[in-house]
Amino acid sequence: EAQVTQNPRYLITVTGKKLTVTCSQNMNHEYMSWYRQDPGLGLRQIYYSMNVEVTDKGDVPEGYKVSRKEKRNFPLILESPSPNQTSLYFCASRRSTGVGGNQPQHFGDGTRLSIL
Amino acid sequence: AQTVTQSQPEMSVQEAETVTLSCTYDTSESNYYLFWYKQPPSRQMILVIRQEAYKQQNATENRFSVNFQKAAKSFSLKISDSQLGDTAMYFCAFIVSGTYKYIFGTGTRLKVLA
Repeated sequence: EAQVTQNPRYLITVTGKKLTVTCSQNMNHEYMSWYRQDPGLGLRQIYYSMNVEVTDKGDVPEGYKVSRKEKRNFPLILESPSPNQTSLYFCASRRSTGVGGNQPQHFGDGTRLSIL
Repeated sequence: AQTVTQSQPEMSVQEAETVTLSCTYDTSESNYYLFWYKQPPSRQMILVIRQEAYKQQNATENRFSVNFQKAAKSFSLKISDSQLGDTAMYFCAFIVSGTYKYIFGTGTRLKVLA
């Protein structure tokens, strides 16, 4: 089954304790992206990756890191989490980096992150 | 900078009725793509419909259709014969052709009443 898998689905942690949210897709998609969803703000793009070893900032990259060492994986790293990073996070992937947008994004089921 | 505006934070509709969700956007580009996503309480993000800006014909998917007005920069979603399963948050989204950054609206929470 074609899917984007995020782990964990829920996490409660404390300020300053490094954490990683994993994202894996089995569709051989070149493009992957991370979003955060906050009430009243919709989804905002954190980082995206056009292919292996190629990443770029979205609209809200501060406090986050990403890496794309393999095509299928795109982890989101919070090296020193703070309460303002409490949010619902989504990973997404899409076929083709050629013409932007003509292929639909496939989303993971989301990660609810609470930082105390 | 591109922006997407959904001016209706919440809406409700009676089952079997028709409802229209509004979305406006701002861009100086001429080639772009527009999307409507549905997020039910399960929080999955589900693509409802998409529209290529170069196509004048409005996209339709079963009970879902759009009214795309390029000059007005408007992209509304019409849901016909509303069903209880249509209860969800709906997001409008936009991307310029050839780029990689998606812009989402703030969402409209739709409740279908029995």
